[in-house]
Amino acid sequence: QQQVKQSPQSLIVQKGGISIINCAYENTAFDYFPWYQQFPGKGPALLIAIRPDVSEKKEGRFTISFNKSAKQFSLHIMDSQPGDSATYFCAARLGTSYGKLTFGQGTILTVHP
Amino acid sequence: NAGVTQTPKFQVLKTGQSMTLQCAQDMNHEYMSWYRQDPGMGLRLIHYSVGAGITDQGEVPNGYNVSRSTTEDFPLRLLSAAPSQTSVYFCASSKPTGTSTQYFGPGTRLTVL
Repeated sequence: QQQVKQSPQSLIVQKGGISIINCAYENTAFDYFPWYQQFPGKGPALLIAIRPDVSEKKEGRFTISFNKSAKQFSLHIMDSQPGDSATYFCAARLGTSYGKLTFGQGTILTVHP
Repeated sequence: NAGVTQTPKFQVLKTGQSMTLQCAQDMNHEYMSWYRQDPGMGLRLIHYSVGAGITDQGEVPNGYNVSRSTTEDFPLRLLSAAPSQTSVYFCASSKPTGTSTQYFGPGTRLTVL
């Protein structure tokens, strides 16, 4: 049972373009939604996160948009750069279950120069 | 701080062999977790711990054992390795606060022949 569904599986974007990755969740008890970035051979690292009481959060070129009624959230990468090429995971956490994240399937992003 | 460290980085086992994946953190985090990463499936939680002496199962616990005798260490044991356990294993740690970041180690790539 995949409680967090992520799309697309892979994404190719030209330098300077906008990368958009989407996630949908089922459990309305999730209350914390982080995005992780993973480079080859490395562990995932937190990129940006949002709580469901906020519809949008922006940090530099990275923005999370959150639609609570649709149970969907997305990551937007503006002005995409070749250095952004990585695998991106959305995730969700139930309440105070701090050690338990439910991850999406991942999106491999390639930014061409 | 070294953060979250994992050993070994790579391991090849034969079916039926046992081994322990080591994980340590020096951030005094109460929560520690083990995930496995498989292509197209994201990261899935194996076991987690909310503090020394307390562990619980995650989504895919079968075939794995854990214990936590100290705050710093959280080893993962494979008692009788199977080819289905071929994967990349990540350890993570976090503090029990609302937007606490879960920090991941560099991973162990395990192949079971």
